[in-house]
Amino acid sequence: GAVVSQHPSRVICKSGTSVKIECRSLDFQATTMFWYRQFPKQSLMLMATSNEGSKATYEQGVEKDKFLINHASLTLSTLTVTSAHPEDSSFYICSARDGTGGREKLFFGSGTQLSVL
Amino acid sequence: QQQVKQSPQSLIVQKGGISIINCAYENTAFDYFPWYQQFPGKGPALLIAIRPDVSEKKEGRFTISFNKSAKQFSLHIMDSQPGDSATYFCAASSDQAGTALIFGKGTTLSVSS
Repeated sequence: GAVVSQHPSRVICKSGTSVKIECRSLDFQATTMFWYRQFPKQSLMLMATSNEGSKATYEQGVEKDKFLINHASLTLSTLTVTSAHPEDSSFYICSARDGTGGREKLFFGSGTQLSVL
Repeated sequence: QQQVKQSPQSLIVQKGGISIINCAYENTAFDYFPWYQQFPGKGPALLIAIRPDVSEKKEGRFTISFNKSAKQFSLHIMDSQPGDSATYFCAASSDQAGTALIFGKGTTLSVSS
């Protein structure tokens, strides 16, 4: 089946630093990628939707300048958490949609656990 | 505003029993209802999905029942096994939303052996 690779799987950083998370579709072209945030034992909250070559659409309450999303190619989207603070510690998950298929063709990465000290 | 309500929050089932998880939605524009399974530290994986033109879909031990008039859908896991112990999320989306999934709060299932 289709694979979405998310890297790194775990990152620990100091407060004030920036962290970049990569999401790659390995065997299909992802016209749309989604970024979710998940707190322990909570649901996945949609942060933003990104389409290749255009600006990301952020959900209400998500700071655009803090969570920078770049979808420069059909196989790569990145989420950069800028000036990270302890409250940004969370599990971040990307998903990618295979543009050739229907909504079943939506695949999730394995997630990135971010811990900000 | 929670668009997809999921219950129960947690569930304990004996091996071989039936696990039932329920979801209700509010947005009548939703037309795609998947269930995802998530293990700790991993991303969710699609288990089974249904569209509102059918009332039931079965794949192996997993069945989705869909009630369009009540705006409810449920997941039934037959012959539950310890390996089914995970968190299950229902979700919904509509074409108008650009296929972004809206998730329920999740149900933690524990199957005792």
